[in-house]
Amino acid sequence: QSALTQPASVSGSPGQSLSISCTGTSRDVGGYNYVSWYQIHPGKAPKVVIYEVSNRPSGVSYRFSGSKSGTTASLTISGLQAEDEADYYCSAYTTSNALVFGGGTKLTVL
Amino acid sequence: QVQLQESGPGLMKPSETLSLTCTVSGGSINPYYWSWIRQPPGKGLEWVAYIYSSGATNYNPSLKSRVTISVDTSKSQFSLKLSSVTAADTAVYYCARFMTSGLYYFDYWGQGTLVTVSS
Repeated sequence: QSALTQPASVSGSPGQSLSISCTGTSRDVGGYNYVSWYQIHPGKAPKVVIYEVSNRPSGVSYRFSGSKSGTTASLTISGLQAEDEADYYCSAYTTSNALVFGGGTKLTVL
Repeated sequence: QVQLQESGPGLMKPSETLSLTCTVSGGSINPYYWSWIRQPPGKGLEWVAYIYSSGATNYNPSLKSRVTISVDTSKSQFSLKLSSVTAADTAVYYCARFMTSGLYYFDYWGQGTLVTVSS
């Protein structure tokens, strides 16, 4: 299984909105609606911000939203804040009952 | 609040077998799935394996020949063994709870433990 494809980096100014894409295949992203997104701050444990494509866990800011079209999922962060600066990873449950992650995207708040 | 804590050797030599343990507290180890995920320095996350509290397992095909995951519900622990390690196995190893039943995501994570393989 190959890693899902994410942009290496994205950046935006405070208050802006931006999206991170996650492209896979019909065996993973396109197979089920089981795409999740994780935020990792340096030295911290990963934190889930979106699961099942577009569901937000309790306690996660409404500024985080997710969507999917075909074999590409997207994480959108609106009203960008300094605290959003982190690494973001998508993950998908595959048709082989396995998990695959994206290569990760470094988000910089300018 | 569920908490997970990894424990491991820190430094290993090539060809040795890595043994990691994850202790679950603040909640029951039953009836959930539990997983190991790793992150080599400067690289992305890689799923390694998951196990159900009853013992059913699934492995990353690229690591399957070298990996064994097990669970000890009496100790609220699950473990990972990775044989014949090389420098490519140097990584931060995370343990996490894997939510299934139509959800399929990792909701609780440990802080991670760095394992370095070097001669």
